[in-house]
Amino acid sequence: DIVMTQTPLSLSVTPGQPASISCKSSQTLLHSDGKTYLYWYLQKPGQSPQLLIYEVSNRFSGVPDRFSGSGSGTDFTLKISRVEAEDVGVYYCMQSIQLPIFTFGPGTKVDIK
Amino acid sequence: EVQLVESGGGLVQPGGSLRLSCAASGFTFSSYGMNWVRQAPGKGLEWVSYISSSSNTIYYADSVRGRFTISRDNAKNSLYLQMNSLRAEDTAVYYCAKVGRLRCPDYWGQGTLVTVSS
Repeated sequence: DIVMTQTPLSLSVTPGQPASISCKSSQTLLHSDGKTYLYWYLQKPGQSPQLLIYEVSNRFSGVPDRFSGSGSGTDFTLKISRVEAEDVGVYYCMQSIQLPIFTFGPGTKVDIK
Repeated sequence: EVQLVESGGGLVQPGGSLRLSCAASGFTFSSYGMNWVRQAPGKGLEWVSYISSSSNTIYYADSVRGRFTISRDNAKNSLYLQMNSLRAEDTAVYYCAKVGRLRCPDYWGQGTLVTVSS
């Protein structure tokens, strides 16, 4: 089974400053079809998770462009260029190369200083 | 607008059973696979089960295999999770989520809380 890890597990950010979260998988997420099946979700306090990024670097519908994803193989990064108050919550990375079995990372809690 | 509304959660004793439902609207339910994902209090997300659009393919997490059964009724636009032999560690908010063309859960319901306790 693929294991997903994230660092850091918590992050306190000043509004307007950048933030970065790392995600690593125990196996490559590069599929034979050429796509890499790594996703990022944000779960805001008291809400259900919402999809931010799909296939490493593509923003989902309605996601602000201050969110960006990068990486390849087993190492990935989510960056927020300028953190806003509404960005607080827990960020999860997830793999679906083993579709339909999904594996989530442990989550990174982001709050505002 | 995609809407997923879970129901059926509640308090149940260890060893008991519960059936969760998820009512879907705003998309062609019969065309998409569906998931159940759960979140224990204060913990992260755990994938529980998947069912394909026609119910031909079903998968379970090791932690629930043999105790939980996923099903769907495409005529009623509904997803179900029958949970038997419940344990304290099954206590969680259970979310239903649509699996879209992007090979991921793209829309989630608001969740329903299941508490297993005596």
